[in-house]
Amino acid sequence: DIQLTQSPSSLSASVGDRVTITCRASQGISSYLAWFQQKPGKAPKSLIYAASSLQSGVPSKFSGSGSGTDFTLTISSLQPEDFATYYCQQYKSYPLTFGQGTRLEIK
Amino acid sequence: EVQLVESGGGLVQPGGSLRLSCAASGFTLSDHYMDWVRQAPGKGLEWLGRTRNKANSYTTEYAASVKGRFTISRDDSKNSVYLQMNSLKTEDTAVYYCARTAVVVGNYVFDIWGQGTMVTVSS
Repeated sequence: DIQLTQSPSSLSASVGDRVTITCRASQGISSYLAWFQQKPGKAPKSLIYAASSLQSGVPSKFSGSGSGTDFTLTISSLQPEDFATYYCQQYKSYPLTFGQGTRLEIK
Repeated sequence: EVQLVESGGGLVQPGGSLRLSCAASGFTLSDHYMDWVRQAPGKGLEWLGRTRNKANSYTTEYAASVKGRFTISRDDSKNSVYLQMNSLKTEDTAVYYCARTAVVVGNYVFDIWGQGTMVTVSS
């Protein structure tokens, strides 16, 4: 199975900040990586697929990069609604797997 | 509006069975792969399995943790996908989500999620 390790596991930031979350795969997955945002009590929301492509309707403040084993999600100009938990997910091979999540909190 | 609505969750004893449903609307279900994902209380997301679309003969894939106990099926005529869960364990306690998979330039990505249904396995 492909393991995804996100860092950091939690992150405190202020409104207006720019933050970066990292996702490392245990083996190469090309660009078969997605990012999701989840708020408490809600379903995940798709943000990015193919490592860097924005899902329809997702604001350009979200950006993704990387390929192979190392990936990043960057969120610019944080707003109150961006504080949530973020997950990466690989779809290179079965079983599909998720990172453990990064909780983004308001400082 | 494209929407997925899960139902069928509840309290079940260890060793018991439960069938979850996912009702799809606003799109042609037979065109899409559909997946089930769960989230134990306070934990991360865990993929459970997939049913491919009609063009791919509705074949399925499962995570090792549920293979042989859980079965995914679908009835496109009823716009529904199902998760039959047998031999339930306390560690199966979670919110269960169904998710639509979209194919975008060769990428099989979750684009629509249901709101989830809670399953509690306890005596």
